[in-house]
Amino acid sequence: EIVMTQSPATLSVSPGERVILSCRASQTVSTNLAWYQQKPGQAPRLLIYPASTRATGVPARFSGSGFGTEFTLTISSLQSEDFGVYYCQQYNYWPLAFGQGTRVEIK
Amino acid sequence: QVQLVESGGGVVQPGRSLRLSCVVSGFSFDTYTMYWVRQAPGKGLEWVAVVTYDAVNKYYADSVKGRFTISRDSSKNTVFLQMNSLGPEDTAVYYCARVGRTSVTRGGFDYWGQGTLVTVSS
Repeated sequence: EIVMTQSPATLSVSPGERVILSCRASQTVSTNLAWYQQKPGQAPRLLIYPASTRATGVPARFSGSGFGTEFTLTISSLQSEDFGVYYCQQYNYWPLAFGQGTRVEIK
Repeated sequence: QVQLVESGGGVVQPGRSLRLSCVVSGFSFDTYTMYWVRQAPGKGLEWVAVVTYDAVNKYYADSVKGRFTISRDSSKNTVFLQMNSLGPEDTAVYYCARVGRTSVTRGGFDYWGQGTLVTVSS
């Protein structure tokens, strides 16, 4: 069973700053990885799928990279609406697995 | 536009059953694999069950295997989750979600419902 580990657990960032979130898989998942943003009381929103492809309607400030076991989600210039919890998810193997999430707070 | 609308959640006693429904619209239902994903209060996301686009294959997380059954009805554009022998550990918001590619089993989820809360408590 693949374990997805995200870091850091929490990030407090000022608007305009660059943000880099990390996701590590316990085994290689190729590029079969997705990123989501979730705000309180809302369903997750797909940001990146697969590893480096932005989903429809996602702003260009969000970008994904990585292959194998190491992945990153970068927000080039944080906006106030980017607060929330970010999850990575591998779908290379059963069972599908999500990371535990990184909370991004606006400073 | 694509919509997924869950229903059927509520408060249920331990050991009882509940059936969730997810009515979809705005896309060709028969070409997309559908999932149920849950989120316990204050916790992360957990995949629960999947039914493939052709309804041939169904898979379950170990935590629900033997207790939950997923199904789909093309005539009603609906995905179901029959949950039996519920325990407090099943308390969560349950989301239905669509895989973001046609005719595949696994993938990222591009559309989600708003979720339905299931609370298992005596």
